[in-house]
Amino acid sequence: QQPVQSPQAVILREGEDAVINCSSSKALYSVHWYRQKHGEAPVFLMILLKGGEQKGHEKISASFNEKKQQSSLYLTASQLSYSGTYFCGTDRVQAGTALIFGKGTTLSVSS
Amino acid sequence: EPEVTQTPSHQVTQMGQEVILRCVPISNHLYFYWYRQILGQKVEFLVSFYNNEISEKSEIFDDQFSVERPDGSNFTLKIRSTKLEDSAMYFCAQTSGKSSYNEQFFGPGTRLTVL
Repeated sequence: QQPVQSPQAVILREGEDAVINCSSSKALYSVHWYRQKHGEAPVFLMILLKGGEQKGHEKISASFNEKKQQSSLYLTASQLSYSGTYFCGTDRVQAGTALIFGKGTTLSVSS
Repeated sequence: EPEVTQTPSHQVTQMGQEVILRCVPISNHLYFYWYRQILGQKVEFLVSFYNNEISEKSEIFDDQFSVERPDGSNFTLKIRSTKLEDSAMYFCAQTSGKSSYNEQFFGPGTRLTVL
């Protein structure tokens, strides 16, 4: 079952902040965040594991609430380059399983 | 960051024709995946491949689809008889499987257009 993302779209001016949420009805092992620009492949941003470990880009922060099966991606002081569609992907067991992606959140940052 | 490559970048075919999409794996990666993305929609899982066999597949991955590593290196996705609704971007992804992080690296994709 696919995770649910909210909001569907966000419009920001440079320097503003945004939060993108991802929730699942099933217990999760990890949550992955990707950004996709139009016509390009998804680019890995961050992964958060059950138990608190995480790995990703320095300028990206996120949280994972295991009990609520929810994750949030925090985009602070947004830049024009942050524009794109953000997908969360979830998996339920360790290593090797496929990701089930949400429908995405489109972020538009203007100057 | 490791790079995944895919060929061709764009494939145009007639309905009913067979197509083969190729992915060049990163040498130390163990798990391979095919995903597709219909224009403007989410990324959808098709199939995962480990140790030369399918480990998972979705309901989308029906008898028209197959995967293999014919020469032990390239990883292919074959669609036997294409339909109009197969038009999409097809992404190959890989993970080493040696880390608990399981981050998946996506290739640039193949845009398949079925006419």
